[in-house]
Amino acid sequence: QVQLVQSGAEVKKPGSSVKVSCKASGGTFDNYSFTWVRQAPGQGLEWMGRIIPILGATLYAQRFQGRVTITAHKSTTTLYMELSGLRSDDTAIYYCARGTGDDAYDVWGQGTMVSVSS
Amino acid sequence: DIVMTQSPLSLPVTPGESASISCRSSQSLLHSHGHNYLDWYVQKPGQSPQLLIHLGSSRASGVPDRFTASGSGTDFTLKISRVEAEDVGIYYCMQALQTPNTFGQGTKLEI
Repeated sequence: QVQLVQSGAEVKKPGSSVKVSCKASGGTFDNYSFTWVRQAPGQGLEWMGRIIPILGATLYAQRFQGRVTITAHKSTTTLYMELSGLRSDDTAIYYCARGTGDDAYDVWGQGTMVSVSS
Repeated sequence: DIVMTQSPLSLPVTPGESASISCRSSQSLLHSHGHNYLDWYVQKPGQSPQLLIHLGSSRASGVPDRFTASGSGTDFTLKISRVEAEDVGIYYCMQALQTPNTFGQGTKLEI
């Protein structure tokens, strides 16, 4: 059974960058897309962007364009999401999720808390 | 971006009763090949979201048949029959027709 295991919590200063990892184990990596979704404290879910590892193709939500970079290392079946220019309102739990052929997200990572504070 | 609107935002339910959540989209989610690109997720306390329903009405693997979903175009409903204590959580609809995928505000089911 495939699992997505994310890196641990981060505390960052405003203006800095954070890079969160998501390792996929127990299943095929290439045949899926992978998406990053975030959730601010007490708030709903926000789609940030996705990658299709077999193509290396990425797509980002416009509001994060220029600040977010999603990459995939096929040899280690690990995904990365880097967010730069951090602000206090980037404080959130960041989730990676596997996308199926109809863009449903059937496997989720456990989440990574990123706190941004001076 | 497609706007997703859920109601109610809070849903107190007695165990054994049924619960119903509505989700509306600002534009049709019906794809040309006949499927509605609407998914339902539940986020139980302290957990990551998990997929309940995809393509409007198809239950994900392992989801009990107490969960049924219906609707087409812009109006969708998730019904939970015989609510159990383990169903507590926040239920989200999400449109998967266009990127960015967008979520409803969430409906908190409480017992």
